[in-house]
Amino acid sequence: NFMLTQPHSVSESPGKTVTISCTRSSGSIASNYVQWYQQRPGSSPTTVISEDNESPSGVPHRFSGSIDSSSNSASLTISGLKSEDEADYYCQSYDSNTWVFGGGTKLTVL
Amino acid sequence: QVQLQESGPGLVKPSETLSLTCTVSGGSISSYYWSWIRQPPGKGLEWIGYIYSSGSTKYNPSLKSRVTISVDTSKNQFSLKLSSVTAADTAVYYCAGGRWYRVDYWGQGTLVTVSS
Repeated sequence: NFMLTQPHSVSESPGKTVTISCTRSSGSIASNYVQWYQQRPGSSPTTVISEDNESPSGVPHRFSGSIDSSSNSASLTISGLKSEDEADYYCQSYDSNTWVFGGGTKLTVL
Repeated sequence: QVQLQESGPGLVKPSETLSLTCTVSGGSISSYYWSWIRQPPGKGLEWIGYIYSSGSTKYNPSLKSRVTISVDTSKNQFSLKLSSVTAADTAVYYCAGGRWYRVDYWGQGTLVTVSS
């Protein structure tokens, strides 16, 4: 099975832009969709990006996703940071045998 | 809007079987894939497995020998059984629904503690 590696934490100021990476250890990142989930403290996760770069209804357009085959990684970019964006973010993908979640990234909005 | 609610014991003894049920409302259980995902205290998410309404299942290879997921379409419910539990199985257990490769809907989660 493969792994998805995320930075443990990132921080940025309100109004700025932050990018969280998710690197796949084996197999092509482009072969299987990547999802991103936001989990605020004490709450269930919610989907902010599905299928690499699709925003579910109700998710602000400040959230965007991308894939980079050269680094075999996916990225979640949040622009115009707000205090409400402070949360843990998890990437998720799959192969024929299993789903895999990244270890999660704690975003602090300073 | 699909809503999910987990139910089951919050405390299970070591070596026993953990059993949880998820009730689906606001949508047909026949339309999605239904997953169980867990999160140990202070840690990340771990996929346990999923089931489709037909009964077809897929499990995390690391848990496969201990996991059974079943569905009752007449009650709009699906269930998780995890056998031979240890303290390492202590976690918040989420039921979730979506496509076979992603979650679209999450339950609120239920904490299950394994302790004697």
